[in-house]
Amino acid sequence: AAGVIQSPRHLIKEKRETATLKCYPIPRHDTVYWYQQGPGQDPQFLISFYEKMQSDKGSIPDRFSAQQFSDYHSELNMSSLELGDSALYFCASSLKLAGGNEQYFGPGTRLTVT
Amino acid sequence: QKEVEQDPGPLSVPEGAIVSLNCTYSNSAFQYFMWYRQYSRKGPELLMYTYSSGNKEDGRFTAQVDKSSKYISLFIRDSQPSDSATYLCAMTSYGKLTFGQGTILTVHP
Repeated sequence: AAGVIQSPRHLIKEKRETATLKCYPIPRHDTVYWYQQGPGQDPQFLISFYEKMQSDKGSIPDRFSAQQFSDYHSELNMSSLELGDSALYFCASSLKLAGGNEQYFGPGTRLTVT
Repeated sequence: QKEVEQDPGPLSVPEGAIVSLNCTYSNSAFQYFMWYRQYSRKGPELLMYTYSSGNKEDGRFTAQVDKSSKYISLFIRDSQPSDSATYLCAMTSYGKLTFGQGTILTVHP
């Protein structure tokens, strides 16, 4: 079965640079979530979108923005990168019509800021 | 205090053992409960999903929810070395997931 696709899988950036992470949800899934996982920590919710509209917002820095496009893929844009932004970034998708609570995660993007 | 507290482990068990993983939560609004398995540097994999008190079984895995005590558990029977991973409980009222800290499980042959 098709899974959530994330790209790139690895990204190395310098401080103050910009990064864009992409997420392609499971086909027919209409909701996308972004999570950040620091080393040895549990995933922390950043932001979510349903039908291209922001549906919830968590502990996402103002330097970050995200959107969901007409084909349901989503992009997380990160500017003025800081060393503390180094983490695994996961995208998850769900289908609201099915309840929307079962979230399926992608393989993640490992961001390293130097 | 975190909304979700998970027994931190780590756990090390012999192959074939029964494993018990546990989480407690404080937010009564949580209605949906999940267990994820995460291998090193991989994405969390959904193992079990439940929304009612009681037991739900899927193969070697049993998820147990006690909403009155705000307590959930995952039992793994006949554990295998391939079960070695970090197990995360997660819960939600709707939408964003709140995770426990994770329990590292090692099953040795």
